[in-house]
Amino acid sequence: SQKIEQNSEALNIQEGKTATLTCNYTNYSPAYLQWYRQDPGRGPVFLLLIRENEKEKRKERLKVTFDTTLKQSLFHITASQPADSATYLCAPRANSGYALNFGKGTSLLVTP
Amino acid sequence: EPEVTQTPSHQVTQMGQEVILRCVPISNHLYFYWYRQILGQKVEFLVSFYNNEISEKSEIFDDQFSVERPDGSNFTLKIRSTKLEDSAMYFCASSSRGPGQPQHFGDGTRLSIL
Repeated sequence: SQKIEQNSEALNIQEGKTATLTCNYTNYSPAYLQWYRQDPGRGPVFLLLIRENEKEKRKERLKVTFDTTLKQSLFHITASQPADSATYLCAPRANSGYALNFGKGTSLLVTP
Repeated sequence: EPEVTQTPSHQVTQMGQEVILRCVPISNHLYFYWYRQILGQKVEFLVSFYNNEISEKSEIFDDQFSVERPDGSNFTLKIRSTKLEDSAMYFCASSSRGPGQPQHFGDGTRLSIL
């Protein structure tokens, strides 16, 4: 069955450092992958989408990579700030189908 | 910026009762979704809705659940006879286009079944 794995443990980093979050998937051949941010008690917020033919995508301090051979996406936040503290969810997707199938998410805590 | 709004923010219901969760998607969006998140667990897909019909549903979305777009602005999720295990946060989402497009989520309705 399809499986999405994200760092199960919380990631604690110091302000100003780069945070790197991992999303691995199995039994999937996603055409693209989306990353969302979720704050406590709030709905997920879309951040970035990367397609299978794109190796890397950037948006301001965010960078996503997508390695279809390793079946892995990495999500980087450079110059991290305490306001970046949240849970980050990945959702690999096939071309067909409407559902977003999320991983459990990785909790990021950025301390001053 | 347009947003998805959900009401109520918290609903407490007795087991066995019917509950209707309401959502107002972003006005020019055509695709609508419901997800749920049990406390401490991942966000799970329930159903998608396009052109006034269900386009996809998960195993969770059994006969107890139904969705409706009663007018041009609202999108509802009905649980016919609630069970304790229906307690969760329910998120509505919408997108301007279908598969592959970012989905915009509301802040959810916390449903507590007693």
